[in-house]
Amino acid sequence: DTGVSQDPRHKITKRGQNVTFRCDPISEHNRLYWYRQTLGQGPEFLTYFQNEAQLEKSRLLSDRFSAERPKGSFSTLEIQRTEQGDSAMYLCASSRRGGNEQFFGPGTRLTVL
Amino acid sequence: AQKVTQAQTEISVVEKEDVTLDCVYETRDTTYYLFWYKQPPSGELVFLIRRNSFDEQNEISGRYSWNFQKSTSSFNFTITASQVVDSAVYFCALTSLSSSNTGKLIFGQGTTLQVKP
Repeated sequence: DTGVSQDPRHKITKRGQNVTFRCDPISEHNRLYWYRQTLGQGPEFLTYFQNEAQLEKSRLLSDRFSAERPKGSFSTLEIQRTEQGDSAMYLCASSRRGGNEQFFGPGTRLTVL
Repeated sequence: AQKVTQAQTEISVVEKEDVTLDCVYETRDTTYYLFWYKQPPSGELVFLIRRNSFDEQNEISGRYSWNFQKSTSSFNFTITASQVVDSAVYFCALTSLSSSNTGKLIFGQGTTLQVKP
């Protein structure tokens, strides 16, 4: 298996700009998760897709955040009007079934100036 | 609510020492899974082990071993004869399969392990 890939690996942006991140899961995995990790903390769940359906969103996901998974393949996470508090590592993970181990990508590190 | 607590923020040992990382969890669900992940300095989370709530058998894999005790809601991880390459942040995580849960992982805050030569 090729692993989970994420693009870009690093993103520096100015406050107020929009950014979009991409995640390519392991090909046979129908479950896809986004997490956010800030310095010194464990990852926190943001949202979950089963195939193309977005089935759960965390309260952490404000209305400035939107995620899609067209055709149940890759996923994108967009942040509009970025704020300095959005600076974090954004992690994507995929799995075959609930309860199975999730495989994580390398993450996208976002810095908002 | 589900919660994972890793009380040890940082541990420092000298190479070849044994080290145990503690994890305590809270959940009301009867069917759940526990995980350990390793996050080396490169940043990518690496899966180490998964345990389900019905399997309390302890497991040994090379220098790694895990002690799952439902009675104390603990899932501890021991590294025997630690090596410098074991230096990383280790996360314990929990998920359940209740109807309202989608398999999302609830992580502890992590334990930073430093193994000195």
